[in-house]
Amino acid sequence: AQSVSQHNHHVILSEAASLELGCNYSYGGTVNLFWYVQYPGQHLQLLLKYFSGDPLVKGIKGFEAEFIKSKFSFNLRKPSVQWSDTAEYFCAVMGSQGNLIFGKGTKLSVKP
Amino acid sequence: GAVVSQHPSRVICKSGTSVKIECRSLDFQATTMFWYRQFPKKSLMLMATSNEGSKATYEQGVEKDKFLINHASLTLSTLTVTSAHPEDSSFYICSARVVFNEQFFGPGTRLTVL
Repeated sequence: AQSVSQHNHHVILSEAASLELGCNYSYGGTVNLFWYVQYPGQHLQLLLKYFSGDPLVKGIKGFEAEFIKSKFSFNLRKPSVQWSDTAEYFCAVMGSQGNLIFGKGTKLSVKP
Repeated sequence: GAVVSQHPSRVICKSGTSVKIECRSLDFQATTMFWYRQFPKKSLMLMATSNEGSKATYEQGVEKDKFLINHASLTLSTLTVTSAHPEDSSFYICSARVVFNEQFFGPGTRLTVL
């Protein structure tokens, strides 16, 4: 069965620091990959997605992710975080029914 | 983007009662909706896949007689937690699929069973 692992449970950064959140998936075939963000008290929002093509995907709010097939990874990056980026971030892979299989999430706290 | 609503956003009920949660796609039709459950400090786990006009497909370990899912129209799916117990307390989130590889999430429903 497919699975997703996120390495960091809680990341604490100061504003303007660079961010990289790790995500690895288990499936070796064609994958559809996603990063979602959940701000406090809000619903999940799509940050970016990868289906095919350019492995460097740019999303909203300055986020990007790189799909590295050889490493089964899809890490999320942002060059300079802001206090408003404080949220929980979920990596996900699409399952066979079109559902999403989520990682456990990474809580990001950005200190002003 | 597409909007998905859930109602209620919060519900507190007594043990043994049933609770119905609605998931609506407001500006699009969704033949498929998904129901997830999120435990504290854990990820979202798929409970079931709801297809309009047919029976829901439940994930292994999810009791279909306890978590009744109905998808009567292209814009509404409901999850009924029957005879709720404190261990059913959780955050329930639905999503509606627009195309095969894109879905939008509702805001979630916090269920507390006393």
